[in-house]
Amino acid sequence: EVQLVESGGGLVQPGGSLRLSCAASGFTFSRYWMSWVRQAPGKGLEWVANINKDGSAQSYVDSMQGRFTVSRDNDKNSLYLQMNSLRVEDTAVYYCARNGGYTLDHWGQGTPVTVSS
Amino acid sequence: DVVMTQSPLSLPVTLGQSASVSCRSSQSLVHSDGNTYLSWFHQRPGQSPRRLLYKVSDRDSGVPDRFSGSASGTDFTLKISRVEAEDVGVYYCMQGTGWPYTFGPGTKLEI
Repeated sequence: EVQLVESGGGLVQPGGSLRLSCAASGFTFSRYWMSWVRQAPGKGLEWVANINKDGSAQSYVDSMQGRFTVSRDNDKNSLYLQMNSLRVEDTAVYYCARNGGYTLDHWGQGTPVTVSS
Repeated sequence: DVVMTQSPLSLPVTLGQSASVSCRSSQSLVHSDGNTYLSWFHQRPGQSPRRLLYKVSDRDSGVPDRFSGSASGTDFTLKISRVEAEDVGVYYCMQGTGWPYTFGPGTKLEI
């Protein structure tokens, strides 16, 4: 069974940093692109970033380019999202998701991030 | 970016009746490989999204055949026949043909 378990969320002040992790199991992690998707309170879904199979290429939504960095460790079956210069509007639940053929076929339960002073 | 719109945004239904959610893309979602990468997701309150359909009409494992998808040009439809109580929540369409992936605003189905 595919499992994705996020961790690392919490309360951080504006301008601060946070590193999210996603532990994958139940599939061969290194064979899949992976994504981060976020959902602000009471709002819809917004794709954040993704990373290719070996971690050599990443893509980001424009508003997060330069502030967020996605990475992975295939030996540890783990995905990461380093978030810097956080803004109040980055407050959201962050989900990791597995990419499968131009879609997102499995999602984690999410980790909440609150940016507030 | 490809803009996805949905209607209605709120959908009250009666148990046992059918329901339809519409999704429209701002440009064609036909990929260069000939496939159309339009997916539907269901998010129950307090839960993460779950994929229901991909490539317009292919159902995920375990998804009842009450759920079906169709397309006409840049218009896509999710149909739920014989709505059950467990179907409540928000339905999102998502396109994976263009970069970045983009989602519709969601349609809230309530009994």
